[in-house]
Order: sequence, then C-alpha cells, then structure tokens
Amino acid sequence: EAGVAQSPRYKIIEKRQSVAFWCNPISGHATLYWYQQILGQGPKLLIQFQNNGVVDDSQLPKDRFSAERLKGVDSTLKIQPAKLEDSAVYLCASSLTRDRGYTFGSGTRLTVV
Amino acid sequence: GQQLNQSPQSMFIQEGEDVSMNCTSSSIFNTWLWYKQEPGEGPVLLIALYKAGELTSNGRLTAQFGITRKDSFLNISASIPSDVGIYFCAGQETSGSRLTFGEGTQLTVNP
Repeated sequence: EAGVAQSPRYKIIEKRQSVAFWCNPISGHATLYWYQQILGQGPKLLIQFQNNGVVDDSQLPKDRFSAERLKGVDSTLKIQPAKLEDSAVYLCASSLTRDRGYTFGSGTRLTVV
Repeated sequence: GQQLNQSPQSMFIQEGEDVSMNCTSSSIFNTWLWYKQEPGEGPVLLIALYKAGELTSNGRLTAQFGITRKDSFLNISASIPSDVGIYFCAGQETSGSRLTFGEGTQLTVNP
C-alpha cells in the first residue's frame, strides 16, 4: 500500500511569514496525527484527528498554528506567523485505529531564518 | 506531563555486537512501541507491545514490556551496519491517547 505522503519536503521562510504543510494519509486510515520534531529530540504531538474531528490539540500553539482535515482524508497544517523556534521537522502519521502503531510520512523540514 | 527517559543517548559499537537500550516512564503505559528513524525519513515501527511482561521479537530485535508498566527495553543482537539510526521508544497511557516519545538513542555500528 502507498505510504503517508507529505509535501513539501523542505521549506525555508523568514520569521513572521506564513507556511502550510500538506499530508495525505494511507487510504482508509481514520486517525491522522501531526508531530513536531525538533533536532535532537523525539517527536511531539501537535494535533490528532479522528476522521475530520479533532481528538487532541492540547499541545498545539493555537495562537499561531492551525490544522484542518476536510472530508476526513487530507490534512493541512499552517503556521502564521512563524518564529525561529518553529524550525523543525513536521511529521504526519496515520493509523487504522487509535490503539495501534502509526505509519509516519517522511516529514517536512522547516527552517525559519 | 508524561516524561520518557531513554538511555543511552548514543552508542558506538562494532559490527556483530549486541545492543541494549531502555526507556523508563513516570507514568504507567498500556502500550509501548519502538521505532527506528533514519536521516531524512519518518520513524518506522519496529515492535509493538500491548501487555505487561510481554516479550516480542522481530528478527534480531527483541523488546519487552516491563512488569511495572513503566519501562521497556529493546535488544538488537549481532548488529550490522544497516542498524545505524536513531531508536525511539514511545508509550501510550490509554487506548487512543497520544504517543509520548523518548529522546532517542543514536546507534552507530562500525564495520
């Protein structure tokens, strides 16, 4: 089966600019996650969707981050405005059910200068 | 919040040696997962553990879910150069809750 697709792979922006990332999960996977991975650290959950509803966004900096999952399939994550500390890899993952291991995409590496 | 302490942070070993790494938690977990991440890629699931005391193998990899439900270890036997990467443990407190990741163990295997 096709894996989790993410784009773009790399993005460089200046601070205070906006940026958006796109994720297409594995077909049929109801649960979708966005994780932030800062260099040298483990991934940290930003938001979890079940179909197109939000299950957990407690660690999402809502003043600048937003995410949506229209029609319960693709998802976009937006940062507006970006700060230097947002430089990280943004990973999307999906799973068939919420109690099984996820499949991760290759991520989008964001550099804010 | 939950914290996972993963050790060691890094390991430098010779090809053929066995490797052991572990994770401890301040919270009880219902699920422990072990992932491997290579440069430029997302983490790939290696082993999933769902029951306290469970011992599961995947080829040369063996992982155990600690009896206290607050720890887990991963062993790699007879390491090979392609084992190089960062290994992460991850725990889940309840079914469907978020995964909390450790900080990773960077493994380097010298041929």
